[in-house]
Amino acid sequence: AQSVTQLGSHVSVSEGALVLLRCNYSSSVPPYLFWYVQYPNQGLQLLLKYTSAATLVKGINGFEAEFKKSETSFHLTKPSAHMSDAAEYFCAVSDIVGTSYGKLTFGQGTILTVHP
Amino acid sequence: DGGITQSPKYLFRKEGQNVTLSCEQNLNHDAMYWYRQDPGQGLRLIYYSQIVNDFQKGDIAEGYSVSREKKESFPLTVTSAQKNPTAFYLCASSIRPEPQNPTTQYFGPGTRLLVL
Repeated sequence: AQSVTQLGSHVSVSEGALVLLRCNYSSSVPPYLFWYVQYPNQGLQLLLKYTSAATLVKGINGFEAEFKKSETSFHLTKPSAHMSDAAEYFCAVSDIVGTSYGKLTFGQGTILTVHP
Repeated sequence: DGGITQSPKYLFRKEGQNVTLSCEQNLNHDAMYWYRQDPGQGLRLIYYSQIVNDFQKGDIAEGYSVSREKKESFPLTVTSAQKNPTAFYLCASSIRPEPQNPTTQYFGPGTRLLVL
């Protein structure tokens, strides 16, 4: 079964600082990976996705993530944090084989706080 | 505007009562999903449907039921058998996934269920 681990349930950065949110996955086949963002009391919005094309994926709002097979990682970064980036971020992996293809398995989420 | 709507935004359930959460989409998506979100646990899949008149149990289906009579609608009933229903419920939809070709899931704004 596929799984996702997000290291750090809470991350705090200063405005203008680098944002790094960590995600490691476990999968027996090449995975499809997603990052979603959730603002308080709202649904999830797709930030970016990796589908085996380029290993460096650029998303919305200046975020990007790099797929590293050797490290089984898909960490999310942004060079300079804005106050509006404060939210909860979820990494997810998609089944691509078997009877459950298309199902998403989510990490536990990382709450990002941005200080002025 | 195309999108996913969920109603109501807040729902209160009395002990022993069944309640139904609505999810409607006008994206012409074949697949629809229900997730439950609890603090610190990420999202967990309750049920999913890849086509009208067909649905599958997810990871935590006990105490829940669904129907898929129309492509646009995928209501979730929280039955009295669900002993801990207080959570944030998210509906999502996507084009129909295929093996080796997962698709992006798009989320509604969510319904918060509280037990009186």
